[in-house]
Amino acid sequence: IQMTQSPSSLSASVGDSVTITCRASQDISRFLHWYQQKPGRPPKLLIYSASGLEGGVPSRFSGSGSGTDFTLTISSLRPDDFATYYCQQYNSYSGYTFGQGTKLEI
Amino acid sequence: QLVQSGGEVKKIGASVKVSCKASGYNFSTYAMTWVRQAPGQGLEWIGWISTYNGNANFAQKFQGRLTMTTDSSTKTAYMELRSLTSDDTAVYYCAREETGRRFDPWGQGTLVTVSS
Repeated sequence: IQMTQSPSSLSASVGDSVTITCRASQDISRFLHWYQQKPGRPPKLLIYSASGLEGGVPSRFSGSGSGTDFTLTISSLRPDDFATYYCQQYNSYSGYTFGQGTKLEI
Repeated sequence: QLVQSGGEVKKIGASVKVSCKASGYNFSTYAMTWVRQAPGQGLEWIGWISTYNGNANFAQKFQGRLTMTTDSSTKTAYMELRSLTSDDTAVYYCAREETGRRFDPWGQGTLVTVSS
């Protein structure tokens, strides 16, 4: 299964809201998770199973979607949110795949 | 918490073995997955191993030169990659696989540098 994540980069300002999308080439139900990664650090789980908010993650992060189309929305951007974001899917036939990543810049 | 072994520098054609020591949870309850990230690139899933029975599943591109093992007595998972090329230069991460096939937490990463 191929994952198409867009955009690859995104410029925004503190206080803005942004949306990142991931599209799967086949139905993956809700096996879609979102991670945030900062330079030199491992990825951090933000959203699991399309819309579940991981513990400790601010509520300005939200996810939606099912089947093939998914979105990550970050509202009221804060300086700490500028990072790279990845989606990740699982399918029993093809295993695990990450999206190409979205670099969110100021 | 997952703590990985230190960085490695290897010659082309050599092998590397990276360890990932778990603490703070029942090791045999959760599978372990391995992901790598080449410099400036995205995340690539390498493979997965059951810490319960040792069953493993690898990404096709690594078949034949990848071994994953676990040691329940020390709560440690291992990933060994053989026949290294410069394309294997990357940070290698272990991550616990949770319900729904999500990865959390992650190890701090191990930089493997392959050069001639």
